[in-house]
Amino acid sequence: AQTVTQSQPEMSVQEAETVTLSCTYDTSESDYYLFWYKQPPSRQMILVIRQEAYKQQNATENRFSVNFQKAAKSFSLKISDSQLGDAAMYFCAYRSAYNTDKLIFGTGTRLQVFP
Amino acid sequence: AAGVIQSPRHLIKEKRETATLKCYPIPRHDTVYWYQQGPGQDPQFLISFYEKMQSDKGSIPDRFSAQQFSDYHSELNMSSLELGDSALYFCASSLAGRPYEQYFGPGTRLTVT
Repeated sequence: AQTVTQSQPEMSVQEAETVTLSCTYDTSESDYYLFWYKQPPSRQMILVIRQEAYKQQNATENRFSVNFQKAAKSFSLKISDSQLGDAAMYFCAYRSAYNTDKLIFGTGTRLQVFP
Repeated sequence: AAGVIQSPRHLIKEKRETATLKCYPIPRHDTVYWYQQGPGQDPQFLISFYEKMQSDKGSIPDRFSAQQFSDYHSELNMSSLELGDSALYFCASSLAGRPYEQYFGPGTRLTVT
């Protein structure tokens, strides 16, 4: 069975600085998708960024980028120029590419942003 | 842009009662997913539907059932409610050809007293 691990329960960053959130996963599959979701205090789950395992190039969405290391099964999220609105719980998630719909989430990292 | 709509947003029920949660996917999305997020927990996959057929099943209790209708909206029916069912229930939707893009609704907060 696949598992997702986020070893940082909480992180903090100063406004305008850069922060990296860690995620590791375990799978025997060769094709899958990885995601970072943001959950602000409103509890809405917002898709931040997606990475296809077959792509070597790291995904980037504006201030958000990932460092995908397939061999190491590592998928970290880098937030550049942090903003107060980035404060939220961040979940890393895994989805198999084979006959299943479910997202498997990590336990989350709470990010605080200080002015 | 239109998003996933869930109703009600908040629901309070007593033990042993029943509850029905509704989900209206993003227009043109034909796949619906249900997740349960307990307090301080990560979301857990319950069940999914594509074209009114169940497509995948996760850790959904036997007391729960769900279905998808011809207009693609979905309902999660929960019976014999227990205190442990108190959670945030998310619905997500996607296009069949893009299942890796699941867009979540705002959730329904169910409190069982």
